[in-house]
Amino acid sequence: GQNIDQPTEMTATEGAIVQINCTYQTSGFNGLFWYQQHAGEAPTFLSYNVLDGLEEKGRFSSFLSRSKGYSYLLLKELQMKDSASYLCAVRVPNNAGNMLTFGGGTRLMVKP
Amino acid sequence: SAVISQKPSRDICQRGTSLTIQCQVDSQVTMMFWYRQQPGQSLTLIATANQGSEATYESGFVIDKFPISRPNLTFSTLTVSNMSPEDSSIYLCSVEDSGLREAFFGQGTRLTVV
Repeated sequence: GQNIDQPTEMTATEGAIVQINCTYQTSGFNGLFWYQQHAGEAPTFLSYNVLDGLEEKGRFSSFLSRSKGYSYLLLKELQMKDSASYLCAVRVPNNAGNMLTFGGGTRLMVKP
Repeated sequence: SAVISQKPSRDICQRGTSLTIQCQVDSQVTMMFWYRQQPGQSLTLIATANQGSEATYESGFVIDKFPISRPNLTFSTLTVSNMSPEDSSIYLCSVEDSGLREAFFGQGTRLTVV
């Protein structure tokens, strides 16, 4: 089976830095994705990691360690609009080729 | 990037009826994916739809309940059949870019069964 764990909720202050962790145990691994989802909206792509290390994209960075089954999403200079759910997803092989398996999501609340 | 148009955006349906959700992509894609997101939950893959073949369903989902069509490389439909209140959820279609580095989602269909 597939198991992807991330904290349910986090709170941080505007202007600060927050790190959202994701651990996974999956049958196969073909990449890890982070998505942002505002309430009532579709998920939007944030980052993709397939090799170990850090990927930086503006205020957002994502890290992957395949040997540890671990990733984190780092958000810097937090803004109120960053209040959203953040979804960690692992691409794994299935009968159709590949599929994304999602964690439960982390609801981030940014306070003034 | 891919632009996905999904409709209807929301619907309220009577139990026992069926609803067909449409997903149109602005480019040709090999695989399209259908997800369900129950209230307060994350996304669960229902099935993968390839053009010209039957959809591949994930554990817990069956073709009789969620028939899928994929008539061409830019379009797919998902039908939620014989609906019950437990089917109230958001249904999303998704495609991956050719480099498999990103997946794009439609805006979702918010279904309420009464």
